[in-house]
Amino acid sequence: DQQVKQNSPSLSVQEGRISILNCDYTNSMFDYFLWYKKYPAEGPTFLISISSIKDKNEDGRFTVFLNKSAKHLSLHIVPSQPGDSAVYFCAASARIGASKIIFGSGTRLSIRP
Amino acid sequence: DARVTQTPRDKVTEMGQEVTMRCQPILGHNTVFWYRQTMMQGLELLAYFRNRAPLDDSGMPKDRFSAEMPDATLATLKIQPSEPRDSAVYFCASGSEDRVWTEAFFGQGTRLTVV
Repeated sequence: DQQVKQNSPSLSVQEGRISILNCDYTNSMFDYFLWYKKYPAEGPTFLISISSIKDKNEDGRFTVFLNKSAKHLSLHIVPSQPGDSAVYFCAASARIGASKIIFGSGTRLSIRP
Repeated sequence: DARVTQTPRDKVTEMGQEVTMRCQPILGHNTVFWYRQTMMQGLELLAYFRNRAPLDDSGMPKDRFSAEMPDATLATLKIQPSEPRDSAVYFCASGSEDRVWTEAFFGQGTRLTVV
């Protein structure tokens, strides 16, 4: 039973355009959400996060949107750059209790020239 | 330069052999996670510790996997006996839960191949 789902295994976007990566979750106890970026042969690195008290968080070219009623979040990258080509993982946690971090299956983003 | 250190980076072993993966969390971090990356499951949580105590290891196959934290600077993940289906990249991550939970920092992973 996957509590965090990324239904698009891959995404190809032209350089300079907007990249939108989507994530759905099922556990209503999740109140903190994170995006990680992973290059080949490296560990995932933290990108951006959002608490459930917000519906948007922005950091430079990266913006995460949270729709609690739909249990859906998305990561927007604009403009997309070649260095953004990587695997992006969505993750969720519940601050109350054990607060383990559950990851989705990842979306491979390719930025084409 | 604080980082999570994992050893070995690569391990090839024969089926049935014991495998031990090691992780040195970032100094001061009190939470340690073990994840396994597979194509189908993405980053699968195997176990995690807080203040060296195991909080959840429900993601681990109990009959062959074991995770421990002998001290605050070392976490180990052991597979005995190893099987070809255990081939994957295993990541350790650490974080600090003393304040508001922020993020976990990952090591570079151990690529395990069981032949």
